[in-house]
Amino acid sequence: DTAVSQTPKYLVTQMGNDKSIKCEQNLGHDTMYWYKQDSKKFLKIMFSYNNKELIINETVPNRFSPKSPDKAHLNLHINSLELGDSAVYFCASSKQGGSGYTFGSGTRLTVV
Amino acid sequence: KQEVTQIPAALSVPEGENLVLNCSFTDSAIYNLQWFRQDPGKGLTSLLLIQSSQREQTSGRLNASLDKSSGRSTLYIAASQPGDSATYLCAVPNSGGGADGLTFGKGTHLIIQP
Repeated sequence: DTAVSQTPKYLVTQMGNDKSIKCEQNLGHDTMYWYKQDSKKFLKIMFSYNNKELIINETVPNRFSPKSPDKAHLNLHINSLELGDSAVYFCASSKQGGSGYTFGSGTRLTVV
Repeated sequence: KQEVTQIPAALSVPEGENLVLNCSFTDSAIYNLQWFRQDPGKGLTSLLLIQSSQREQTSGRLNASLDKSSGRSTLYIAASQPGDSATYLCAVPNSGGGADGLTFGKGTHLIIQP
């Protein structure tokens, strides 16, 4: 029944590793997003995909690469993890026009 | 570039009080404005969405108003309860359609004392 589900919920990894976070939505939404919430709880857009096409890529290092195999999935792959990547990453989806915004429960990434 | 500011950053009040959370945004050409709630360790829950043509929206004990010309929105919570304790976030779309994502304020951390 979960509308936007992301896995894993927690991820602890060493610097330099590569990791992926998966996101799936069953709402039939056309647009999916990745947001980053830093240690000060500030939430910022990273990527936006509309019908599998990249719409926006904010100033995110190219170590971060989103992949959308279909409009219900938007995965986030991170290469060469750094300490500063530690944060909570939220996946979200919405209808065209931005209504019906629904967030996943977040993935807490800790890089040690 | 759009900036969203929320005041106060934190608020602690006794149960039963009515309270107002404030949000301001720098670019008044917004398509809509949303209020979200975030509980610790959880995702965000959309509370109210106000379209640019609307002045306010109500849901239960929550009422959100929007004044585009002055770049302000308020979230009014009536008869507060301990279960209302959470962080409340205000957000506006980065573009008209919203496909560019939302710009969020830093939130108001609300504690309702039993």
